[in-house]
Order: sequence, then structure tokens, then C-alpha cells
Amino acid sequence: QVQLVQSGAEVKKPGASVKVSCKASGYTFTNYYIHWVRQAPGQGLEWMGRINANSGGTGYAQKFQGRVTMTRDTSISTAYMELSRLRSDDSAVYYCARAGVEMATMYFDYWGQGTLVTVSS
Amino acid sequence: DIVMTQSPDSLAVSLGERATINCKSSQSVLYTSNNKNYLAWYQQKPGQPPKLLIYWASTRESGVPDRFRGSGSGTDFTLTISSLQAEDVAVYYCQQYYSTSLTFGGGTKVEIK
Repeated sequence: QVQLVQSGAEVKKPGASVKVSCKASGYTFTNYYIHWVRQAPGQGLEWMGRINANSGGTGYAQKFQGRVTMTRDTSISTAYMELSRLRSDDSAVYYCARAGVEMATMYFDYWGQGTLVTVSS
Repeated sequence: DIVMTQSPDSLAVSLGERATINCKSSQSVLYTSNNKNYLAWYQQKPGQPPKLLIYWASTRESGVPDRFRGSGSGTDFTLTISSLQAEDVAVYYCQQYYSTSLTFGGGTKVEIK
């Protein structure tokens, strides 16, 4: 069965960076994209960007350009999202999610369990 | 970016009654070359990640009960729960994937009246 398992909760100080991992299993990792979506407390869903797990090509939401880096390690079927220069309003649950490689299939059929990132001095 | 606007923000429906959620996009998400609307619906229960319900505006994901129905085309879409069950209490989100910059609606909270 398809699973996306994320790393554990993080507490960071403002200005620091955080790196969240997402380990995939149950499918061929390189046949899909991994996307990152975040959700601030009590708020809606916000798309951050995607990585092509095969080529490593990325696309980021304009809001996060320059602050986010998405990478992957195909040898261990794991994707990573690093967010730098953290602010208090970056406190949120960060989700990884799987989507197809074609635009027609850029919906999220499997999600990780979420990683809570708290930014506090 | 394509802006997705959901209405209402919340609704309370009696068990067994119909719930209707609307989603409007700021531009058409209909891909004319294949006549598919690039619109998905998700259900999120407290403390859980979202769950895919519907894609291509009206195709139910495997295992999703048939009381969930997606409809609409172009810029106006609807998610209908034909007979609300207690386990359907959740927040529902629409998402467009027509643009490479993906966007979600603000969510609609469904409760029991």
C-alpha cells in the first residue's frame, strides 16, 4: 500500500531553517511528483511547490521563491522540503502529497501524516 | 494565480439531508483539448490530512461513497453530499490544477444540525 511517512515535529527560532522529510513506499517513487502543502493553525491549505521525483525538477509557489528548496534522494525514496529564514507565521503543519506527472493528474491521491513546525523565540 | 472561492464558509445539515458546497474559480479550469475540468475536491477531518474525494470535477476516487457527487464546468463547481452521515463532518476543499501554480479554496466546514 502507498505510504508517505514524514519526519517528526520541529521547533525552530525565527531566522532559522527547517528541513522536513517524506519517505515514500508502496509505489515506484520516480513515477510521480511530490508536492508540499502547508496548513497554519485553524486555516486552509496552501500549496508550496513540487518536485519531479525522477528528474529532480522543481516548481515553487511565488510566495516561497528564494526561501524554499525541494530535493529528493531516489536511493531511499525520500523527498525533502527545506524552508529558510523562518518567521512566526511559518508555524504550520507541513504535508507532502503525491501527484501524477501530467497536468491532468496534478491532484493529490496520497498524503503524508503531516509535520508540525513551530517557530518561536 | 487562479483564485478559488468556496461558499458557504460553513453549513449545518440534518442527518440524511443534502449538503451542497460551491466552488468558483477566477478563470476557467476546463482544458478544452480533452474536455476535462482540472478541479478536485478533498475532505479533511480534524487532526488528519486531506483525503481525495473527486478529481476531474466529477470522477469519484476509488472507495469514495456514491453519496458524494461532483458537478460543474468552466468556473462553477459543486460538491453534493446526497444524504449526510455523521462521518461526513469535516472541512471540504476544492483545488484547481489547471495552472502550474496550484491553488485551493478556503474550505467549507460541514456540521450536523
